[in-house]
Amino acid sequence: DAGITQSPRHKVTETGTPVTLRCHQTENHRYMYWYRQDPGHGLRLIHYSYGVKDTDKGEVSDGYSVSRSKTEDFLLTLESATSSQTSVYFCAISASVTEAFFGQGTRLTVV
Amino acid sequence: KQEVTQIPAALSVPEGENLVLNCSFTDSAIYNLQWFRQDPGKGLTSLLLIQSSQREQTSGRLNASLDKSSGRSTLYIAASQPGDSATYLCAVKGGGADGLTFGKGTHLIIQP
Repeated sequence: DAGITQSPRHKVTETGTPVTLRCHQTENHRYMYWYRQDPGHGLRLIHYSYGVKDTDKGEVSDGYSVSRSKTEDFLLTLESATSSQTSVYFCAISASVTEAFFGQGTRLTVV
Repeated sequence: KQEVTQIPAALSVPEGENLVLNCSFTDSAIYNLQWFRQDPGKGLTSLLLIQSSQREQTSGRLNASLDKSSGRSTLYIAASQPGDSATYLCAVKGGGADGLTFGKGTHLIIQP
């Protein structure tokens, strides 16, 4: 299995609070991605990174920010969590335009 | 905007049958297509990757084909087993550094 660790695995937070999810990889892959998975919508891309300090927006980026200060870590921040951000969040990595590998997911509930 | 459709949305078959899952995409300008398996409450496991220049890939009882010009891929599962029960996801990679575009999946149940 690709070395991808997401933390935390589960989190319950209150509306309006900031939340940061972490993705850590041991594969030294250049590309890292954050997706969310919701019933009826499937997986959708939030943000992605193509190198240290190089990030860009995906399909559903509103309300989210990311940072990548080291190759191995990609952080997803919800500045002020809303109930619509209750979801399962997946991190993925890839070396180039090749096979993508996914983490085990973080289940976030905003109450 | 790329759109990926998977048919059927759900499928239930008895053990031992051969089956085909379908995936279609609207923009044929893809770099690759990847099939994943997802068990309930778990992450995605990569099953097969087909590069845009390839026609098919095989792994054990799984065979995936790609017809890029018509925007279609199929995943063939031979001699299905109860352990194959899962949701199967199709995803395509376009140009650039951005990520995959996913279909909504086929929920597969193999009856013992």
